Amino acid sequence: DAGVIQSPRHEVTEMGQEVTLRCKPISGHNSLFWYRQTMMRGLELLIYFNNNVPIDDSGMPEDRFSAKMPNASFSTLKIQPSEPRDSAVYFCASSVQMNTEAFFGQGTRLTVV
Amino acid sequence: AQTVTQSQPEMSVQEAETVTLSCTYDTSESNYYLFWYKQPPSRQMILVIRQEAYKQQNATENRFSVNFQKAAKSFSLKISDSQLGDTAMYFCAFRGGTSYGKLTFGQGTILTVHP
Repeated sequence: DAGVIQSPRHEVTEMGQEVTLRCKPISGHNSLFWYRQTMMRGLELLIYFNNNVPIDDSGMPEDRFSAKMPNASFSTLKIQPSEPRDSAVYFCASSVQMNTEAFFGQGTRLTVV
Repeated sequence: AQTVTQSQPEMSVQEAETVTLSCTYDTSESNYYLFWYKQPPSRQMILVIRQEAYKQQNATENRFSVNFQKAAKSFSLKISDSQLGDTAMYFCAFRGGTSYGKLTFGQGTILTVHP
């Protein structure tokens, strides 16, 4: 099993640019999570999906952030326009059922300059 | 809303010694799952151990064990015979059954194992 695959691993972009982070969950998993990790705020849940449907997006910081899951094998997190304070590591995770452990991708380190 | 609290920002231990990391949580649910994850400097999140709330027996995985006190809403992690490779950030996490499986993490505890 390839595990959860995130791309890119690193992203450096200029303030104001659009950024798209991608995630391929483990095949057969039906829950998907997006987290953001920073030194100041720790590991924050941004949004999570169950069976491709967004269940809770209360953690999305503002309208500049959006997430989609068009099918069971792909999800995106988009930031438009990006700001320096968006610099963080973004993790995607998936699980097979609602009450089991989640498996994490390697994360995307985003730097906005 | 469920919350998870780790009150120890940093801990240190000598190699081969035992260390316990603390975690408390708040929930009104009766059926839920608790986890400890490890994040080494590589930043990969690795599951260490899991506990189902309906099970009274504490979970154990090799050198890792938990002390689950449901009434006190406490879920501590004990690491026995600490090894240098245990140096990492450790996160406690809660996953409920009535909130479509929302997975909430604590703030993390940085554990350093000294030779």
